[in-house]
Amino acid sequence: KQEVTQIPAALSVPEGENLVLNCSFTDSAIYNLQWFRQDPGKGLTSLLLIQSSQREQTSGRLNASLDKSSGRSTLYIAASQPGDSATYLCAVNGVSTDKLIFGTGTRLQVFP
Amino acid sequence: DGGITQSPKYLFRKEGQNVTLSCEQNLNHDAMYWYRQDPGQGLRLIYYSQIVNDFQKGDIAEGYSVSREKKESFPLTVTSAQKNPTAFYLCASGMIAGGYNEQFFGPGTRLTVL
Repeated sequence: KQEVTQIPAALSVPEGENLVLNCSFTDSAIYNLQWFRQDPGKGLTSLLLIQSSQREQTSGRLNASLDKSSGRSTLYIAASQPGDSATYLCAVNGVSTDKLIFGTGTRLQVFP
Repeated sequence: DGGITQSPKYLFRKEGQNVTLSCEQNLNHDAMYWYRQDPGQGLRLIYYSQIVNDFQKGDIAEGYSVSREKKESFPLTVTSAQKNPTAFYLCASGMIAGGYNEQFFGPGTRLTVL
């Protein structure tokens, strides 16, 4: 059974820092992995999707990488800003299921 | 203006009542999903549908029901059989092709049982 873990559960950094959020999954047989952002009381916003054949995807200050063999993905945020404060979730689409399996998220706070 | 809409944003229910949450999408997606989110927990899948007139139970379907009569709509009914319905409910739609599964989410409905 696929399990998805995100560490740390919470992170507080000063503005301007580059930071890395981690996502680990137990079954490396995946089709794709998706990163989301959730603001308090809101829905999820899709940030990046990486297919199993890809190593990384970039969107603005965000870069997501995928190491399928080791069961890891990282979301790199460059030059963090207070507006980046939110909960970040990763979700894995595995070969053995037709559902996304979500991690519990990393709550990020960027202070001025 | 494309996207996924959910209504209402806030919903209050008395114990013993059934309530229906609306989810509509105009993205022409075949698949639609309902998730429940509780504080400190990840998203849990309630029901999903990959095609009109067909749907499957997710991980926590007990006390819920759905229908998929139109491609654009996937309403969720929270029945009185759901013992702890207070939660944040999220609807999603997505594209599925050859294993590929990408989902997009609506703004959510917060249900409170009084």
